[in-house]
Amino acid sequence: DGGITQSPKYLFRKEGQNVTLSCEQNLNHDAMYWYRQDPGQGLRLIYYSQIVNDFQKGDIAEGYSVSREKKESFPLTVTSAQKNPTAFYLCASSYRQRGYTFGSGTRLTVV
Amino acid sequence: ELKVEQNPLFLSMQEGKNYTIYCNYSTTSDRLYWYRQDPGKSLESLFVLLSNGAVKQEGRLMASLDTKARLSTLHITAAVHDLSATYFCAVDMVDGGSQGNLIFGKGTKLSVKP
Repeated sequence: DGGITQSPKYLFRKEGQNVTLSCEQNLNHDAMYWYRQDPGQGLRLIYYSQIVNDFQKGDIAEGYSVSREKKESFPLTVTSAQKNPTAFYLCASSYRQRGYTFGSGTRLTVV
Repeated sequence: ELKVEQNPLFLSMQEGKNYTIYCNYSTTSDRLYWYRQDPGKSLESLFVLLSNGAVKQEGRLMASLDTKARLSTLHITAAVHDLSATYFCAVDMVDGGSQGNLIFGKGTKLSVKP
């Protein structure tokens, strides 16, 4: 079955450490997205990519970085510059007018 | 800048009652989505509304879209406890004809009590 796989499900980060969240899809979707969700809040866009080797900043890109070397993969790195990274991170992919598919999420906690 | 506003943000209902959640958005868009989220879980797609006047129903939930008013509604009929969740609307910000990005409302936390 096609879908989006996010890993890990839970991730703990120490102060000053970079961590990378994985997002892989086998839906053959061109576009991929990263969203951040804080408790009791909606989803805010971090980065998105419409095509391989190209990506754009969303509303809250500071302290994050991404790459899109393969159509199937869109990893998100949370850098030490992100001062408040504790949140639920959701990856999504989409194909024109066929809606969006979301992964199961990664819960990141600073320890 | 596209903004999406939902109301109410919190809704406590009794089983068997009806209620409507509203979603307003600030700029032109022809695609609106409704999602359900259970605590600690990802988003479950409920409805995709693609044109003015679109109405879709699934079980006790019915969604509609008025693009002229920039308004979508999610109507709940005869609520049951299983509908307790957070409901999000999201609008597709399309740029130059290509599929763009989803902009979300803050969500409506629904609690259905016996």
